[in-house]
Formats: sequence, structure tokens, C-alpha cells
Amino acid sequence: QVQLVESGGGVVQPGRSLRLSCVGSGLTFSNYAMHWVRQAPGKGLEWVAVIWYDGINKWYADSVKGRFTISRDNSKNTLYLQMNSLRAEDTAVYYCAREPSGGSYGTTALDYWGQGTLVTVSS
Amino acid sequence: DIQMTQSPSSLSASVGDRVTITCRASQSISRNLNWYQQKPGKAPKLLIYAASSLQSGVPSRFSGSGSGTDFTLTISSLQPEDFASYYCQQSNSAPERLTFGGGTKVEIK
Repeated sequence: QVQLVESGGGVVQPGRSLRLSCVGSGLTFSNYAMHWVRQAPGKGLEWVAVIWYDGINKWYADSVKGRFTISRDNSKNTLYLQMNSLRAEDTAVYYCAREPSGGSYGTTALDYWGQGTLVTVSS
Repeated sequence: DIQMTQSPSSLSASVGDRVTITCRASQSISRNLNWYQQKPGKAPKLLIYAASSLQSGVPSRFSGSGSGTDFTLTISSLQPEDFASYYCQQSNSAPERLTFGGGTKVEIK
């Protein structure tokens, strides 16, 4: 069965950096676009970024553009989110999620999700 | 940017009730609308994709309808395990942007 497992969360001071990882198993990881979605405590879901199967095509939410970088290593079945210049408003549970295609225009649903990793930005 | 507005933000219902949740887009999104269920402390789960297609393994009491700007998620007979939060998500502007609605919390009456 498909499993996605995030790691790398923790407590970090404002302005510092953190890198999240998401390891996939039970799927041919290199075939699928992958997303990061976050959820601030007690709040709704916010899409963060997507990377297509090839690792070349990437898009970001305006709230993280220029600060966060999504990447992947298909040889390791691993998705990453490099988060720089962190702010208090980045505090959230970060989920990785699979899109059931290599990348698409207009038809994106997220069919498998990890359990999430909590990032807390605080001094 | 496309905004997604869900209503109500919360509702109380009893087991066996028919429940309807509405999602409205700020502009037409065709049928590029998905629904998720989230239980406390858990990851979201895809229920409905492309407005009305039932995700594999999801009970048939869940259904989706709509197109353009107005969409509904219906639970035909609420079960104890259905008490959760529900989110709509538009993909019309994918891959540049995915947008979620604010969520609807379904509570026990």
C-alpha cells in the first residue's frame, strides 16, 4: 500500500531554516507529481507547492514564493521542502501528498497523504 | 485568484440525517472541484474528485454535484464515523495554484 512519511519538523527561530523530507513507499515515486500542503493550528488547509514527476516543473503559493524550495530525489523516493527565512505564520503541520498523475493542468486531486510533521516558528 | 467559500462553517446533525455542504467558487471552475474529509489529528482523505466522482473505497452515502461556481457534498445518511471536517478544493488553476475552502465541521447533535 502507498505510504508517505514526513520528517524534519521541529521548533525553529524566526529567520532560520528547516528542511522537511517525505519518503514514499508502495508506489513508483518517479511517476507522480507531489505536493506540500500545510495547516496552521486550528485552521484550514493551505496549498504550499507542487513538483512534477520530472523534478523540473515547480509552482509555489505566493505566501512562500522566494523563501521555500520544493525538490525531489526520485532515486531515493524522497520529496523535500527547504524552508528559509521562516516566519511565525509558517507555523503549521506540513503534509506531503500525491497527485495521481505525473503533473496536470486543471484536474489535480490529492489521493494519498502523509501523517504530517509539525513546524513551530518561535523565539 | 479564485476564492472558495464553504457553508456552513459548522453544523450539528444526528446519525441518520441527510447532510449537505456547499462550496462556491469566485469564478467558474468547470468541474475541477474535489472534496476531502479530515478527522482530528489525521491527514485529509480524498472523498470526491472532479465534482462528482467517488474515490475508490469511499462509501456510496457520499456524493458530489455541481459545476461552474456552485457545488455540493451530500452525505445521505450520516454515520458516527462521518463526524469530521470537510474541505472543498479547486484545481481549475492547477498547477499554478490550488485553493481550499475554509472547511465545514460536522458535529454530533
